[in-house]
Amino acid sequence: NAGVTQTPKFQVLKTGQSMTLQCAQDMNHNSMYWYRQDPGMGLRLIYYSASEGTTDKGEVPNGYNVSRLNKREFSLRLESAAPSQTSVYFCASSVAGRGGRETQYFGPGTRLLVL
Amino acid sequence: DQQVKQNSPSLSVQEGRISILNCDYTNSMFDYFLWYKKYPAEGPTFLISISSIKDKNEDGRFTVFLNKSAKHLSLHIVPSQPGDSAVYFCAASGRTGNQFYFGTGTSLTVIP
Repeated sequence: NAGVTQTPKFQVLKTGQSMTLQCAQDMNHNSMYWYRQDPGMGLRLIYYSASEGTTDKGEVPNGYNVSRLNKREFSLRLESAAPSQTSVYFCASSVAGRGGRETQYFGPGTRLLVL
Repeated sequence: DQQVKQNSPSLSVQEGRISILNCDYTNSMFDYFLWYKKYPAEGPTFLISISSIKDKNEDGRFTVFLNKSAKHLSLHIVPSQPGDSAVYFCAASGRTGNQFYFGTGTSLTVIP
């Protein structure tokens, strides 16, 4: 099992360029998430997908779009990148454990620099 | 507005001693709490969780304590080992969905 994989690992963009961050999980989890991590801010939820075919906004969705392509894949798109989107992006998937509460499993992250 | 707070950015502890990492939350609707550990250039990994129906949960060297009245939880690591050196995040969620709120993290250094 590879767990949660993310591509690319690192990307440099110019302001206004677009790109898609890819995420895939092989654990048959229903729920998937995108977070960003900024210095002094912890991880903040951008979007999540509770199941295939559904997506919902998190704390900081502005400037992003997502696609839950199938149960395995959840992509994050920046249509017009801005320097404020320079961050480390983490994808996660989750499974309900005992008591029905979700536990998240994270990918290794994508470092994005917007110039 | 940070709903989950970790007020200590860093902590240093001698190997073999106890490490205590603290976390406070403001939202009384949170009823499930988790701790994650993160090494540099890796994603966070799940460590331990606790539901609000409990005040303590233990897993090996790791124990999480929850004080609901104070809206405070802590992670105890006993004994601390050099491999425990990492950034620790606490996170919280409520019943109503999949939204998890993370603290800003505490960087733990265990000195050999």
